[in-house]
Amino acid sequence: RKEVEQDPGPFNVPEGATVAFNCTYSNSASQSFFWYRQDCRKEPKLLMSVYSSGNEDGRFTAQLNRASQYISLLIRDSKLSDSATYLCVVNPPWSNYQLIWGAGTKLIIKP
Amino acid sequence: DAGITQSPRHKVTETGTPVTLRCHQTENHRYMYWYRQDPGHGLRLIHYSYGVKDTDKGEVSDGYSVSRSKTEDFLLTLESATSSQTSVYFCANGAPTEQYFGPGTRLTVT
Repeated sequence: RKEVEQDPGPFNVPEGATVAFNCTYSNSASQSFFWYRQDCRKEPKLLMSVYSSGNEDGRFTAQLNRASQYISLLIRDSKLSDSATYLCVVNPPWSNYQLIWGAGTKLIIKP
Repeated sequence: DAGITQSPRHKVTETGTPVTLRCHQTENHRYMYWYRQDPGHGLRLIHYSYGVKDTDKGEVSDGYSVSRSKTEDFLLTLESATSSQTSVYFCANGAPTEQYFGPGTRLTVT
């Protein structure tokens, strides 16, 4: 089992719709969680951290479910510019320096 | 803006040749990282640095070495390139939980 797993997609979503995707992690002792965004052939960029109480930033909401060991990302009122690959990232308990990266979920917003 | 540049941006090399990739930051971040990204895989850490001359191995360090003689520069060397090292290489800086990436280097080993 991979340490961080994501549905690769693609998720094809009409503009204006709400879309959500999850990411599961295997180590229950993991403490820090993040979503990064990566545009095609570009570098990853930090989208948001995921806190135990959840985190909202404009149209984006991230949630953590420790009992089921997954994090989620919800995008409301999706824009064409939201088309990207969304990377789930976990900081494992056995390292302060290393992050475990999911392979990403590809999102395509259609007009 | 992470202020990170990587060079070269693209490189094609032959199996068995040494290759050095350069990462330069304009900030004075203590931490710097080298990752590789391959289809179907998440980013995988090759090596990281937590200060000048302080480096350590990551998840996929075999066949790679690094050096950091100045705060602003972090070099990744493939001692003898193999086809399995064909990949996109990203350099990053910043705290372990808030990393900023350079534009990447596409390396093809033929």
